[in-house]
Amino acid sequence: SQQGEEDPQALSIQEGENATMNCSYKTSINNLQWYRQNSGRGLVHLILIRSNEREKHSGRLRVTLDTSKKSSSLLITASRAADTASYFCATDSWGKLQFGAGTQVVVTP
Amino acid sequence: DTAVSQTPKYLVTQMGNDKSIKCEQNLGHDTMYWYKQDSKKFLKIMFSYNNKELIINETVPNRFSPKSPDKAHLNLHINSLELGDSAVYFCASSQVEFLEQYFGPGTRLTVT
Repeated sequence: SQQGEEDPQALSIQEGENATMNCSYKTSINNLQWYRQNSGRGLVHLILIRSNEREKHSGRLRVTLDTSKKSSSLLITASRAADTASYFCATDSWGKLQFGAGTQVVVTP
Repeated sequence: DTAVSQTPKYLVTQMGNDKSIKCEQNLGHDTMYWYKQDSKKFLKIMFSYNNKELIINETVPNRFSPKSPDKAHLNLHINSLELGDSAVYFCASSQVEFLEQYFGPGTRLTVT
């Protein structure tokens, strides 16, 4: 079974709105990463949050981690059409790396 | 300059054939990976190589064999291709194992 599971599976918003997606996992982790995949391309690393961190920011991205609930969220603020992509969380559990199935985000102008 | 490159980008072949996918990274990273992404976009790690040594083989059939001639290259050879092997295969690399991976553009393999 998958370690990380993203929610929702798909998200459609308008430019300027915020997009929030969640990742839940089952076992304890060293860190959690978020990646973006544009259609037909490879994944691009966005942000990493370690198990002892609760929140990180990078530009318009904000990631939170709640290890007690085994969940993370990715917030994209002031979305743009270029943010249209699939977003994946990846969990690292002491040498075992697993990706979720992704959240597909569509941002319409 | 492309950081992680893969060839070919598309590969169409018949069942039973043997094929290879090549990967090169110019980032000086010590660890390289192969992933398989299925039609539902689920991404699964197949192999990880750290400085030319295999450190993960995630229950991949032995028809799949990674070859690393040096730490900048990790090729994937597949024997006796099956319909279920159809997927997109991604190569990736990172300086530290599992962290901040750089992905190649992918190779779409179609087995007919």
